[in-house]
Amino acid sequence: GAVVSQHPSRVICKSGTSVKIECRSLDFQATTMFWYRQFPKKSLMLMATSNEGSKATYEQGVEKDKFLINHASLTLSTLTVTSAHPEDSSFYICSAPGQGRNEQYFGPGTRLTVT
Amino acid sequence: QKEVEQDPGPLSVPEGAIVSLNCTYSNSAFQYFMWYRQYSRKGPELLMYTYSSGNKEDGRFTAQVDKSSKYISLFIRDSQPSDSATYLCAMTNAGNMLTFGGGTRLMVKP
Repeated sequence: GAVVSQHPSRVICKSGTSVKIECRSLDFQATTMFWYRQFPKKSLMLMATSNEGSKATYEQGVEKDKFLINHASLTLSTLTVTSAHPEDSSFYICSAPGQGRNEQYFGPGTRLTVT
Repeated sequence: QKEVEQDPGPLSVPEGAIVSLNCTYSNSAFQYFMWYRQYSRKGPELLMYTYSSGNKEDGRFTAQVDKSSKYISLFIRDSQPSDSATYLCAMTNAGNMLTFGGGTRLMVKP
């Protein structure tokens, strides 16, 4: 299957700072990528759809000014959590559609802890 | 009512048992169905991908889709302790955006 990587795998930051998370498709191109948030023992919550060459599409209730998404190339999307607060602590996961366009491959996730 | 319903478990079985995991859904437009396995603190791993109704087998895993009943299943034969994880069903109607079940936590005891 297709491989999606994320960096960093784990990050601890202080309240008020910004954190950037990278999502890369390693062996395929992705014009669309998805960003999810997952709380402990809960399912994935879609935050936004990242579109190469255009603005991201955010789900209802997700603050676009707080969670900045940039799809810089066909293999890279970044999520920046700005002015992070402890309530932003979570597991963030990205995904990209496979060649069939309907299945998705997920990255390993990034655990963010805001102190 | 959620669009996709999945029993959260936990489901505890002895090693070697046959495991049956299920999801029901309400949107008849869904055509593509997936099962993901997620280990703790890891991203979901695609296990099975099926289109429309029918069965698909891959090693110890069999996925079944019954669109008439809006019911999908994942069977795991000869379950192993390494199968212990959370299993998520997901589906889409060809728009790329997936709708997930809540996940079932499976524990296979040696």
